[in-house]
Amino acid sequence: ETGVTQTPRHLVMGMTNKKSLKCEQHLGHNAMYWYKQSAKKPLELMFVYNFKEQTENNSVPSRFSPECPNSSHLFLHLHTLQPEDSALYLCASSQGPDSGRYNEQFFGPGTRLTVL
Amino acid sequence: DAKTTQPTSMDCAEGRAANLPCNHSTISGNEYVYWYRQIHSQGPQYIIHGLKNNETNEMASLIITEDRKSSTLILPHATLRDTAVYYCIVEDYGQNFVFGPGTRLSVLP
Repeated sequence: ETGVTQTPRHLVMGMTNKKSLKCEQHLGHNAMYWYKQSAKKPLELMFVYNFKEQTENNSVPSRFSPECPNSSHLFLHLHTLQPEDSALYLCASSQGPDSGRYNEQFFGPGTRLTVL
Repeated sequence: DAKTTQPTSMDCAEGRAANLPCNHSTISGNEYVYWYRQIHSQGPQYIIHGLKNNETNEMASLIITEDRKSSTLILPHATLRDTAVYYCIVEDYGQNFVFGPGTRLSVLP
């Protein structure tokens, strides 16, 4: 248990569906992250939020839409996905770059997404 | 791009020490060395980090060379549950992590 939870753990969706991934952290952190991990590839940073403000968008296609309503919750809204978007989507949180501390990240278990 | 290079894979006998090397020859003075591991299909798990001095915690030891251009993660008594991909990451305070492909450690019975 890292203090970061993700739901659902597994998701299968068609290319015309709309779904959302949810992440919640119980650590009192200020920064939250979405990563994508495709098969046999390193983790790729997608989005970063610091104090609910998006500070990084790593050239992610608009069919992925993040939302951070508060420092404890992070969503990734999905629509019109492609089969190549099938991957493990990981959420992480940290104290944040303004905390005055090193930026250790705590990861959730991930959502395994399959797009048919 | 990741600022580190690691061997693609390593084997270690159960009960022996696992020594995982990492090269970070372009590291700057403010950059920390972090180690994470990822057991199959789970989220990465923080192991240890350091700046200049060697560090030890309940999971591992981190040895950083004096010139800081390389480091070694040591798992003192590897178990089968230590089989995972180990990532060495070099990042400045406040920057975002860039994960490379890591080292796939197989602990063999």
